Amino acid sequence: SQQGEEDPQALSIQEGENATMNCSYKTSINNLQWYRQNSGRGLVHLILIRSNEREKHSGRLRVTLDTSKKSSSLLITASRAADTASYFCATDADDYKLSFGAGTTVTVRA
Amino acid sequence: KAGVTQTPRYLIKTRGQQVTLSCSPISGHRSVSWYQQTPGQGLQFLFEYFSETQRNKGNFPGRFSGRQFSNSRSEMNVSTLELGDSALYLCASSSDGLRSTEAFFGQGTRLTVV
Repeated sequence: SQQGEEDPQALSIQEGENATMNCSYKTSINNLQWYRQNSGRGLVHLILIRSNEREKHSGRLRVTLDTSKKSSSLLITASRAADTASYFCATDADDYKLSFGAGTTVTVRA
Repeated sequence: KAGVTQTPRYLIKTRGQQVTLSCSPISGHRSVSWYQQTPGQGLQFLFEYFSETQRNKGNFPGRFSGRQFSNSRSEMNVSTLELGDSALYLCASSSDGLRSTEAFFGQGTRLTVV
């Protein structure tokens, strides 16, 4: 079974708009990571946020973490066609594995 | 630095057969983990190895097994294949088993069982 839920399951936006997706999880974590996957290929790491951090930025990505609510959000600003992909959150509970959410499929329309 | 290499990329097997998948981690990484991805179940953890020792195993039947060699390369084996084993199998490597770093994934092996 998966650690958590992602919301929404799918998102369609216009190029230049922002995309926000949310992730909820169930257990205490060491860190939370976001990955991108293009068309059933390998996962690409985007950003890692530790349990003692609340917000992190990387380029056009902004991640927040609220451990009291066991939730995280990923914001992609000024989206591009190349951002079309599935996005997964994954939690590390210090047990040598990542537990993934179901993913959010993002489509960026030109 | 070369990435994580998985071989083969695609595989078609018949029910009842067995299969071995290979993963070469990034040089210097000692942790290798395996995941199964299916449309119905999403990404499920199979097992993790660090310096040839299995440190965690997911909730899969005993038909799924793995090992890691002294050069950190890893293999996973699935015996007596079932149709439901059709999936994308992903391997990931990290330097210290995820405690403070991200995992780097290979492109996966697409297994089809017919």
